Amino acid sequence: DTAVSQTPKYLVTQMGNDKSIKCEQNLGHDTMYWYKQDSKKFLKIMFSYNNKELIINETVPNRFSPKSPDKAHLNLHINSLELGDSAVYFCASKSGNAISPLHFGNGTRLTVT
Amino acid sequence: KQEVTQIPAALSVPEGENLVLNCSFTDSAIYNLQWFRQDPGKGLTSLLLIQSSQREQTSGRLNASLDKSSGRSTLYIAASQPGDSATYLCAVRFQGGSEKLVFGKGTKLTVNP
Repeated sequence: DTAVSQTPKYLVTQMGNDKSIKCEQNLGHDTMYWYKQDSKKFLKIMFSYNNKELIINETVPNRFSPKSPDKAHLNLHINSLELGDSAVYFCASKSGNAISPLHFGNGTRLTVT
Repeated sequence: KQEVTQIPAALSVPEGENLVLNCSFTDSAIYNLQWFRQDPGKGLTSLLLIQSSQREQTSGRLNASLDKSSGRSTLYIAASQPGDSATYLCAVRFQGGSEKLVFGKGTKLTVNP
């Protein structure tokens, strides 16, 4: 299936731990994103990579570090997890064509206890 | 500040009714506007994308309109069905060099059989 896939689907961990979320797309897209959806369902961009280069970095704590080993993968590593990091994290991708829509993964629900 | 607002936050209608979801944005200088659907526990599915030069887009029972000058878009759903129940999000790509989409908080639609 052609898709944006992210793992794990659920992640429960304690404060202070370090965790990673992986994302892969087989759509041949050039640009990948990480979005955060908080408890109020508000969706906000965190990072964007184009062909492995960082192009958007919103005001996200530097505990969050994206890594793009190739243009089909964009992983998110989070250090020293805090309670406020609990949210659903969505990976997305799109082609370089200006009229192409954004394709989302199914999300990773992170719960920090 | 570039913001996207959706009203109402929630809407409940009987099956078969035609309905309109509203989206407003603060800056008329946009590249495009996109409507998404989000089902519980799932990612976002792109429904329609309207370029700044377009006035509307149609897909099946869905019709999205765009009025840049007034900063508004509407999503019209004809002959609603229980399967249309979901949260509908509006997202705008504003001009200014960034590829990011700015999302509204969504309208949660319930279509009652």
